[in-house]
Amino acid sequence: GAGVSQSPRYKVAKRGQDVALRCDPISGHVSLFWYQQALGQGPEFLTYFQNEAQLDKSGLPSDRFFAERPEGSVSTLKIQRTQQEDSAVYLCASSEYEMNTEAFFGQGTRLTVV
Amino acid sequence: EDQVTQSPEALRLQEGESSSLNCSYTVSGLRGLFWYRQDPGKGPEFLFTLYSAGEEKEKERLKATLTKKESFLHITAPKPEDSATYLCAVRDNFNKFYFGSGTKLNVKP
Repeated sequence: GAGVSQSPRYKVAKRGQDVALRCDPISGHVSLFWYQQALGQGPEFLTYFQNEAQLDKSGLPSDRFFAERPEGSVSTLKIQRTQQEDSAVYLCASSEYEMNTEAFFGQGTRLTVV
Repeated sequence: EDQVTQSPEALRLQEGESSSLNCSYTVSGLRGLFWYRQDPGKGPEFLFTLYSAGEEKEKERLKATLTKKESFLHITAPKPEDSATYLCAVRDNFNKFYFGSGTKLNVKP
C-alpha cells in the first residue's frame, strides 16, 4: 500500500492478557519507529529499527514490552500481561533513510485494557 | 536531555484571523525539525521539514520557520478545516524523534 498500515485499529484486552500489534511500513523504508500516545499528549518514543536491527529500545516502559522486525519490513509490538496503564494509542512510523528524513505515521492502534 | 515545548496548548481563532504557533527545542545535534497535523482518531500527518536556522517552508495557508532555538508555524487567514492538533518534533543525532504535546487549534466560522 501507499502508506503505513497498522492492525488492529482497536483492541480491547483484559488485564493480564497478551496482545500483539502489527505494523506494515511503507515498502522500502529503512527506519521504523513505535510510539505510544496518551490522550492529549504528543507521541512518546518506544523503540526504533533500522532494517531488522533494533537500534534503540530505551523507550520501552517495561520488560513486558517487546518489539521485533525479523525481515526488515513488517514489525510487531507485543505487550505481555497487559495492565491498565498500557491503555493508549500505539503509533508506528517509517522513514525512507536512517537520517534526515521525515517519518510517516500509520493510523495507530487504540489499546484499551479493562 | 532533548526537549520540545509547544505553546499555546490551545488556540481558538475566528476564520480569517491569522496567528502563530510556537515550538521551542533543545536537542543534541538537530537532524531536522518536523511539523505534523493530527486529526482526532488519526495518526500524525506530515507537513514540513526544516533543517537549518533561517529556513522557511510554505504550504497553502501554512508557513514554517526555524531559528536555532525555536520554530514557528504561521497560519494565514485560517479556515475551519485547519482545525486540528499541530505537533512539532525534532530528530537528534541518535535518530530519535522527540515530540511536543501539541497545540490544539480550533477555527470558528
